[in-house]
Amino acid sequence: GAVVSQHPSWVICKSGTSVKIECRSLDFQATTMFWYRQFPKQSLMLMATSNEGSKATYEQGVEKDKFLINHASLTLSTLTVTSAHPEDSSFYICSAPLYEYNEQFFGPGTRLTVL
Amino acid sequence: GQNIDQPTEMTATEGAIVQINCTYQTSGFNGLFWYQQHAGEAPTFLSYNVLDGLEEKGRFSSFLSRSKGYSYLLLKELQMKDSASYLCARVDSNYQLIWGAGTKLIIKP
Repeated sequence: GAVVSQHPSWVICKSGTSVKIECRSLDFQATTMFWYRQFPKQSLMLMATSNEGSKATYEQGVEKDKFLINHASLTLSTLTVTSAHPEDSSFYICSAPLYEYNEQFFGPGTRLTVL
Repeated sequence: GQNIDQPTEMTATEGAIVQINCTYQTSGFNGLFWYQQHAGEAPTFLSYNVLDGLEEKGRFSSFLSRSKGYSYLLLKELQMKDSASYLCARVDSNYQLIWGAGTKLIIKP
């Protein structure tokens, strides 16, 4: 099946710093990628839809100036958590749809811990 | 609203059968996914249903009734490794996924 990678797999940072997470589709092109956040014992929550060549679409309640998304190419989307705070500590997961197979492929996730 | 409802937690015995139900809002429906998620890992795809009926894949089967806004995931011959959260997700009219909260399945020997 199609493969989506994420980097880094985990990161620990100090409060106030910025962290960039990369999401890559390794063997297919993805004009759309989705970014999710998952807090412990909760379901995935869609943060934003990343669109290649245009601005991302953010879900209600997600600050676009804090969570910067750049979909620079058909295989790469990045999420930058700016001025991270402890409450941003979470599991961040990206996914890319493969429409012809009616399936979404998930990256392995990035665990962010903000001290 | 866009509520998707599934039980929070279920317990079953190794070797047995368990059915996890999911109900959802029927408007703007474009299919329903089931995913398995082990703790600390990303979800993995189990099934996708867009037409009514039962689809079987080995030990796992998924059923859909569009008119009732109802789906279930059936797991047979349960193994300890099946202990995980099972998430159902509805595809809405914009082809985005609306997630249920997940059902934590505990398998006991």
